[in-house]
Amino acid sequence: GAGVSQSPSNKVTEKGKDVELRCDPISGHTALYWYRQSLGQGLEFLIYFQGNSAPDKSGLPSDRFSAERTGGSVSTLTIQRTQQEDSAVYLCASSLPDWPYEQYFGPGTRLTVT
Amino acid sequence: AQKITQTQPGMFVQEKEAVTLDCTYDTSDQSYGLFWYKQPSSGEMIFLIYQGSYDEQNATEGRYSLNFQKARKSANLVISASQLGDSAMYFCAIIDTGNQFYFGTGTSLTVIP
Repeated sequence: GAGVSQSPSNKVTEKGKDVELRCDPISGHTALYWYRQSLGQGLEFLIYFQGNSAPDKSGLPSDRFSAERTGGSVSTLTIQRTQQEDSAVYLCASSLPDWPYEQYFGPGTRLTVT
Repeated sequence: AQKITQTQPGMFVQEKEAVTLDCTYDTSDQSYGLFWYKQPSSGEMIFLIYQGSYDEQNATEGRYSLNFQKARKSANLVISASQLGDSAMYFCAIIDTGNQFYFGTGTSLTVIP
C-alpha cells in the first residue's frame, strides 16, 4: 500500500511569512508524529497525535508552531512568522495503534527560510 | 538527561567486514522498545530492527542484529558483511510508556571499498 506522503517536498519562503506543511499518513495508522531535523542533526520531536486524544505538543519550540489533524488522518504543521532558524527538514511519521508503535516515515519537507 | 546516546559521530568500515554502532539509553520504565533506523543521503528514514525490553533473544534481521545488554542499558547495532550501500546515518531510538520516541544524534557510517 501507499506509504506516508508529505507535501511540498521543498519549500522556500521569506522570513516572516507563514508556511503550511502537509502529511498524509498510512491508512489505518492512528498515531502521527512530526519531527524536525536540522542539517547534520538528529530528530527533534515536535508533536504527537494518537487517535482522538489531545495531542502531545510538548516538543513545539514556540507558539509560532502549531499542528492539527483532521478526521484522524491528514495533518498540517503550520509555522507562523518564519525565522531563519526554522530552516530544516520536517519529517512526519505514522504508526499502528499497537505497541511498539513502529514508525513509518515520510520523505520529509525541506524548508528554507531566506 | 539524554534518553539515547550515540557516542560515535562517524565510523568507517571496510567492505565485507562487520561493524558495531553503539547506543546506550536511559529510562526508568520496565517496558520499552528500542529501534534502529537508517537514513541514506536521500533523507528517508528506513526502519532496520526492533528490540523489546522483555525480549530475551537478541533481535536479528538479515545482516542486522541488535546486541541487547539490558543491565548495561546498551543496544548496539551490528552490521555484518558491510556493503557500499550501507553508507548512511544510523539512528538509535527508544519508545517508553509515554509513547513518545526519542532519537539519538546518529552515527555516520562510511563503507570503504
